[in-house]
Amino acid sequence: GAVVSQHPSRVICKSGTSVKIECRSLDFQATTMFWYRQFPKKSLMLMATSNEGSKATYEQGVEKDKFLINHASLTLSTLTVTSAHPEDSSFYICSARVVGTDTEAFFGQGTRLTVV
Amino acid sequence: RKEVEQDPGPFNVPEGATVAFNCTYSNSASQSFFWYRQDCRKEPKLLMSVYSSGNEDGRFTAQLNRASQYISLLIRDSKLSDSATYLCVVNPGEYSSASKIIFGSGTRLSIRP
Repeated sequence: GAVVSQHPSRVICKSGTSVKIECRSLDFQATTMFWYRQFPKKSLMLMATSNEGSKATYEQGVEKDKFLINHASLTLSTLTVTSAHPEDSSFYICSARVVGTDTEAFFGQGTRLTVV
Repeated sequence: RKEVEQDPGPFNVPEGATVAFNCTYSNSASQSFFWYRQDCRKEPKLLMSVYSSGNEDGRFTAQLNRASQYISLLIRDSKLSDSATYLCVVNPGEYSSASKIIFGSGTRLSIRP
């Protein structure tokens, strides 16, 4: 299957700093990628849809100035958590589908963010 | 009403048992359906797609009931390695790689020896 690589897998940062998470499709092009967050024992919640070459589409309740998304190429999307606070600590996962299909979504390995 | 609803469990069953999960969805126009499996602290991985006619993959059987808007997953002869959280996934939109998919909250399954 297609491979999505997410980096870093784990990050600890101080409150007030910004953290960038990268999501790369390694063997396919992804005009659209999706960013999710997951709290312990909770489901994946879609945060935003990242569109190559255009602005991301954010789900209701997600602050776009807080979670900056950049999708500059067909294989890379980044999520930057700005001015992180302890309540931003979570598991962030990206996913993508192969262009032109409605098949399974391939997921990155996830990034566990801890803000101290 | 949530777009996708699942019984959160946990289901705790003995090895070898048969276990079934159900999932309901609210959007009758939903296009495609999947079951994913997520192990603790790992990313979700596709277990199987769900087709209108129902489909089977080894010990796993998935079924779709469009009239009642639910999908099901049956696991026969359960193994210890089946212990995980099972996520019901629905694509509510048009056939497109850009259409977002909605996850259920997941059902936790624990298989005991």
